[in-house]
Amino acid sequence: EAQVTQNPRYLITVTGKKLTVTCSQNMNHEYMSWYRQDPGLGLRQIYYSMNVEVTDKGDVPEGYKVSRKEKRNFPLILESPSPNQTSLYFCASSFLGQGYGYTFGSGTRLTVV
Amino acid sequence: AQTVTQSQPEMSVQEAETVTLSCTYDTSESDYYLFWYKQPPSRQMILVIRQEAYKQQNATENRFSVNFQKAAKSFSLKISDSQLGDAAMYFCAYRSRTGNQFYFGTGTSLTVIP
Repeated sequence: EAQVTQNPRYLITVTGKKLTVTCSQNMNHEYMSWYRQDPGLGLRQIYYSMNVEVTDKGDVPEGYKVSRKEKRNFPLILESPSPNQTSLYFCASSFLGQGYGYTFGSGTRLTVV
Repeated sequence: AQTVTQSQPEMSVQEAETVTLSCTYDTSESDYYLFWYKQPPSRQMILVIRQEAYKQQNATENRFSVNFQKAAKSFSLKISDSQLGDAAMYFCAYRSRTGNQFYFGTGTSLTVIP
């Protein structure tokens, strides 16, 4: 089944404790991206990648890191999480060009206390 | 940067009636793509409909259709014969022709009244 697998689904952590949210897709998509969703703000792009070893900042990259060592994986790293990073996070992927829509992961509800 | 605006944070519709959700966007590009996504309480993001800016014809998917007004930069979603399962958050989205920029609006929460 074609899908984007995102883990974990829920995560509660403490301020300053490094964490990684994993994202993997099995559709050979070139483009992968991370978003955070907050009430009243919609989905805001954190980082995106157009291919292996190519990553770019989105609109809200501060406090986050990403890497794209393999085409299928695009982990999101929070080196020192803070309470303002409490949010719902989505990984998404697509082919480039031709206006393809995203396939989304199932989301990660992150709470930083 | 392109922006996508959804001016209706909440909407409601009677079951079996028709509702229209509004979306406007700002861009200097002439070729791009527009989308509507549905997010039910399960929080899964589901693609509802897609429109190519260079096509004049409005996209339609079963009970879902759009009114695309390129000059006005408007992209509204019409849901006909509303069903209880249509209750969700709806997001309008813009993708650039090159594909590297993909922006979402702030969403409209749709309630369907039995």
